[in-house]
Amino acid sequence: QVQLQESGPGLVKPSGTLSLTCAVSGGSISSTNWWTWVRQPPGKGLEWIGEIYHSGNTNYNPSLRSRVTISLDKSKNQFSLKVSTVTAADTAVYYCARRPVTNWFDPWGQGTLVTVSS
Amino acid sequence: QSALTQPASVSGSPGQSITISCTGTSSDVGSYNLVSWYQQHPGKAPKLMIYEINKRPSGISNRFSGSRSGNTASLTISGLQAEDEADYFCCSYAGGSTWVFGTGTKVTVL
Repeated sequence: QVQLQESGPGLVKPSGTLSLTCAVSGGSISSTNWWTWVRQPPGKGLEWIGEIYHSGNTNYNPSLRSRVTISLDKSKNQFSLKVSTVTAADTAVYYCARRPVTNWFDPWGQGTLVTVSS
Repeated sequence: QSALTQPASVSGSPGQSITISCTGTSSDVGSYNLVSWYQQHPGKAPKLMIYEINKRPSGISNRFSGSRSGNTASLTISGLQAEDEADYFCCSYAGGSTWVFGTGTKVTVL
C-alpha cells in the first residue's frame, strides 16, 4: 500500500523559502493520482495548498499561488513543495497526501512541523 | 475561497448519536458531490472517513454516515465510542481545480 513521508528543515527564517519533500513508497508517482500538499497552523484547521499530477500539471490555492511551487522528481519517486517569502503565518504542520482521480485525500503522510522564526 | 464552516465542538455520551455540520456555498458544497470527511487524533495525520458525501472507505465503521442538504453537509456518528473522540474536518471541491477544508470540529465523548 502507498505510504508518504515528508522531510525538510523544521526552521526557516522570515523572508526565506520553505522547502519540503514527500517520498512515495509502495506505489509509483507516475500513477494516475494528484499529489497534494495541505498545511495546518498550530491549533487551527486544514488548508489545501496545491497539487501536482503525474503529467506535471499543477493546481494551487489562489491565496498562495504567487508564492508556491510544487514539482515532481520521478527518478526519486517523490514530489516537493516550495513556499517563498515566508512569514510567521506560514508556521504549520505540512502534510503531503495522495488524491486519486476519484477525489478524496488518502493516504496522508505523518506531517512535519515547519516554524518560521529568526 | 473561504473555509467551510463547522461548529467548534460537539459532545455526546457513549452510545449516543451526534451530527457535525459543514456549511459552504452554492459554489462548493452545494454544487459538487465531492464532499469528504476526515478524522484526526491529536498529533496524528488525518484519516479519510467519508467520501463523495455518503460513501465509506473499506474498513470504516458503518457508525459513520454522511449526508447533504443544500449547501450544508453533515457527518453523523452513531453509537458514540470513546475512540471517536478526535477532530473532524470536512472538505469540498470548490471549482476551478481547487479544494477547501472546513474549520474543524472537536468531538468530545462525555
